[in-house]
Amino acid sequence: EADIYQTPRYLVIGTGKKITLECSQTMGHDKMYWYQQDPGMELHLIHYSYGVNSTEKGDLSSESTVSRIRTEHFPLTLESARPSHTSQYLCASSSGTYNEQFFGPGTRLTVL
Amino acid sequence: AQKITQTQPGMFVQEKEAVTLDCTYDTSDPSYGLFWYKQPSSGEMIFLIYQGSYDQQNATEGRYSLNFQKARKSANLVISASQLGDSAMYFCAMRGNTGTASKLTFGTGTRLQVTL
Repeated sequence: EADIYQTPRYLVIGTGKKITLECSQTMGHDKMYWYQQDPGMELHLIHYSYGVNSTEKGDLSSESTVSRIRTEHFPLTLESARPSHTSQYLCASSSGTYNEQFFGPGTRLTVL
Repeated sequence: AQKITQTQPGMFVQEKEAVTLDCTYDTSDPSYGLFWYKQPSSGEMIFLIYQGSYDQQNATEGRYSLNFQKARKSANLVISASQLGDSAMYFCAMRGNTGTASKLTFGTGTRLQVTL
């Protein structure tokens, strides 16, 4: 059973607010990822990390930023939320032979 | 660049019947991996099955099997003996071998509805 956690699960916030979406995993995985997914649509990679102090931008441009100070923690920050940021954000981690990614439960963000 | 194509936006299947969800892919990597994930309405992504490009046999995991046809670049998911709990979105994904982060490229998904 994968142990990857995301908080909050749901967030409704006003335009211009700064928000941080938390993601933690207890599996000791070195690689972590953030995906953005609109309802009923495919996932788009927005950030990933090879390990501590390593972060890269993904395939979809995003105004968010990430940090990786500890192996288990990979938070995502939006400095000034806008309605266009309304989406589901999924965090994942991977390691092992196949590098299959294990996902957290997601954060559903609504920016009013 | 990698691309995953899922041409079935929605599928219906009767309980206890088998169903095949289609997935085709395109990549220039000589070595790659193919994954299927299930996403229930609650939103989490559940890993189902993996197929490596050099695996000689089709992958199986319980009621899930992957019909891998390398020459056709297809990796269809077969669910046997469908259950009501199988109703969900299903995503096919690919991992190439470029770089070390094992990024996944996802298809647009197929929504499966299991009926009585």
